[in-house]
Amino acid sequence: KQEVTQIPAALSVPEGENLVLNCSFTDSAIYNLQWFRQDPGKGLTSLLLIQSSQREQTSGRLNASLDKSSGRSTLYIAASQPGDSATYLCATRTDSWGKLQFGAGTQVVVTP
Amino acid sequence: GAVVSQHPSWVICKSGTSVKIECRSLDFQATTMFWYRQFPKQSLMLMATSNEGSKATYEQGVEKDKFLINHASLTLSTLTVTSAHPEDSSFYICSASPPQGATTEAFFGQGTRLTVV
Repeated sequence: KQEVTQIPAALSVPEGENLVLNCSFTDSAIYNLQWFRQDPGKGLTSLLLIQSSQREQTSGRLNASLDKSSGRSTLYIAASQPGDSATYLCATRTDSWGKLQFGAGTQVVVTP
Repeated sequence: GAVVSQHPSWVICKSGTSVKIECRSLDFQATTMFWYRQFPKQSLMLMATSNEGSKATYEQGVEKDKFLINHASLTLSTLTVTSAHPEDSSFYICSASPPQGATTEAFFGQGTRLTVV
């Protein structure tokens, strides 16, 4: 059974600093890994999707890496802004139907 | 990206009543949808897999008679919480993926905050 762990559970940084969020998983036989953002009381916004054959994906200030063999993914957010404050979740997909296994998330606070 | 719409976004109901939550894929057909539950400050836990035209598949520990799932069309799945109790209060969220294979992205609805009083 896939287990997904996110470290740290919470993170507070001043505006402008870079953010590094870590995700590890136990079963490397994944189809893909997806990073999400969740604002309080809201649904999930997909940030980046990395296929199992890829090493990284980039979108604007966001960059996610994937090392499938070691079961790790890292989300980098450059030049953080207060609007980046949210909970970030990573999730792996290990079957063809689409069910995801989630980590517990990292709660990020960016202070002005 | 694709759009998944969930309704209502929040609902308050009395203990013992039933509540229906809808999940729609707006711009693609979804033969499979997923229902997750999230407790405060915890991650999302898969409750069940909703299959169009057939019975849902429930995860271990999820009561299928309490959480009724109906996937009557390729764009709509419903979750009915029957005889709701305060311990059913939670955040429920659905997801679906466009049917282009196992590498496609998962899209989520806005979620439904259920409060049972």
